[in-house]
Formats: sequence, structure tokens, C-alpha cells
Amino acid sequence: QQKVQQSPESLSVPEGGMASLNCTSSDRNFQYFWWYRQHSGEGPKALMSIFSDGDKKEGRFTAHLNKASLHVSLHIRDSQPSDSALYFCAASEPNSGTYQRFGTGTKLQVVP
Amino acid sequence: NSKVIQTPRYLVKGQGQKAKMRCIPEKGHPVVFWYQQNKNNEFKFLINFQNQEVLQQIDMTEKRFSAECPSNSPCSLEIQSSEAGDSALYLCASARDWEYEQYFGPGTRLTVL
Repeated sequence: QQKVQQSPESLSVPEGGMASLNCTSSDRNFQYFWWYRQHSGEGPKALMSIFSDGDKKEGRFTAHLNKASLHVSLHIRDSQPSDSALYFCAASEPNSGTYQRFGTGTKLQVVP
Repeated sequence: NSKVIQTPRYLVKGQGQKAKMRCIPEKGHPVVFWYQQNKNNEFKFLINFQNQEVLQQIDMTEKRFSAECPSNSPCSLEIQSSEAGDSALYLCASARDWEYEQYFGPGTRLTVL
């Protein structure tokens, strides 16, 4: 069973709008979370990491983590057409030697 | 921009053939990962290294897949006997340490006919 689930599967927002992506883990050992973005034909690129409860903001991107509910979200304000891509949430245990489990992905389309 | 280099970008093999792909991690990154991304964009972890040493690998990797990350040479992932189900995008990523973000290469797209 997939340990990291994302919703929605796909999302369409108007240019300049807010995009909200969700990620839930089923494993309480996962304490570290990342958001990655993958444009077509490219490898994923990390957007940000979040390890503590609360919000973390980097430019137009804000991540929110609630460890009690194992839920992390990503909010993209002022969405641009260049933000159209696949977005993946990844989670890992806070141990050396472990790997990140990637979620199922959300396809974001920003419509001009 | 990531400087993880993967070659070749595309690889076509017949069933039963060997398929080998290479990865040059970003300079100064001792931690290397290989993932398989299928046509549904699902990721599957294959193997990871720290300073040339294998730390974790899944069963599939142990049986038909072999990988190494020698010092001063590219890392490599080889499928000994390709199967149709191996058709996927193979992604190499490197990181400064385990809790840091992973930098991905563009991937090698393998097609097994």
C-alpha cells in the first residue's frame, strides 16, 4: 500500500491564482517531508523541505506540516504558467541511510 | 540547476539483453540514489549508496539489477536480463547528506521491446 498519498490527482488554477496541494502519510515514522516539482522531460527538482510543525515559506511557495495528522500541504500563490508540472511529496524517517518515499503526484495546470 | 549527469538519455533493448546506464553525481555529494519512475509517474526506490557503499536496496535490485558507485568513476545501474516490465524512466539523484534535498538528473528512459 502506498505510504504517501497525494490529492488532488490533478488541479487546474487560473494564472495569478492560488494552488493548494495535499499530502498524507500513513507511516508515523516519517518525520521529514519534501516537495518536488517535475516538468515534462526532466527529473524532479526540490522546491522545499519541512521538518517541523507549522508553516515554512519560500517565495511564492508555502508548506504546512501537521505531524499529529501526518499531513503536509503546499500552497503556491500567484501561480504562473511555468508552475504547470507534476508535484510530488516525499517523506522519510529521520535516520541516516534511509530513502525518501515519493507520493502519487499531483498534476498542476495553470491556465493563462 | 542540478548538475547530475545521466547517460544515455534513451536506451532501447530487447528482452533478455543487458541494459546499462550511468550517473555522475553532483560534486561533493556522497549520497546517491537510483529510482524507477513508471509510466504512471510512480516512483520505486532501487538502491542507495554512501561513499561507494551500498546501504539499502530492494529485492528486485538484488536479483536482476546490479549497481555500483566507484570512487572517481560514474555510478552505474545495470539490468542483467531486461524484461518488458523494466521499461521506465530511471532517475539518479545525489545529496549532500540524508536529510538534505536530492538533486536529480534528467533520467534514462529505458524501453524494452
